[in-house]
Amino acid sequence: DVKVTQSSRYLVKRTGEKVFLECVQDMDHENMFWYRQDPGLGLRLIYFSYDVKMKEKGDIPEGYSVSREKKERFSLILESASTNQTSMYLCASSVPGTGLRANVLTFGAGSRLTVL
Amino acid sequence: DQQVKQNSPSLSVQEGRISILNCDYTNSMFDYFLWYKKYPAEGPTFLISISSIKDKNEDGRFTVFLNKSAKHLSLHIVPSQPGDSAVYFCAARGTTSGTYKYIFGTGTRLKVLA
Repeated sequence: DVKVTQSSRYLVKRTGEKVFLECVQDMDHENMFWYRQDPGLGLRLIYFSYDVKMKEKGDIPEGYSVSREKKERFSLILESASTNQTSMYLCASSVPGTGLRANVLTFGAGSRLTVL
Repeated sequence: DQQVKQNSPSLSVQEGRISILNCDYTNSMFDYFLWYKKYPAEGPTFLISISSIKDKNEDGRFTVFLNKSAKHLSLHIVPSQPGDSAVYFCAARGTTSGTYKYIFGTGTRLKVLA
């Protein structure tokens, strides 16, 4: 089974701090995604990547950046955390292509970030 | 602009009965639809999917129906069990600048009563 691991389950940070959220997948997936989940808003796509060193903005990229230096690792960076970035952050990965497996996102357990 | 909508934030169903969760979408170019289940403090887990060229897909107690003309899909769970109590998200796959994107709905919290 594909495993997507998010290194920090719970973080508490102060306004203005730089925050790194790390995500590692162990099945050689090309595609990786960062979402945030908020009550009443569902899952919203922040950034995604289809290859090493490649990134594309999702629907809510403002205030975030990402890094994909290695295929298995996709990092989300909050340059200067703000209280409205308090949320559950979810990393996911998938394989590209047109087969059935290609369409399934596998998620990590999530990182709950609180910004004070 | 919410391209994938789940208009019912919550649903309660008696154990053993059918649960029907609904999802509407606006983009006719979506080519694949998925349902995910999420328990508190866990990541979403894949449940079932359907290609836009089909109108039904079944997997055990779970069936997804797609009505392309109405831009509507639904997830049926029969019989419902207390362990099915979770938040259910529908998701649609589309393309942006030639790359795939997955758009999620806002979720429906299902409570199955014993």
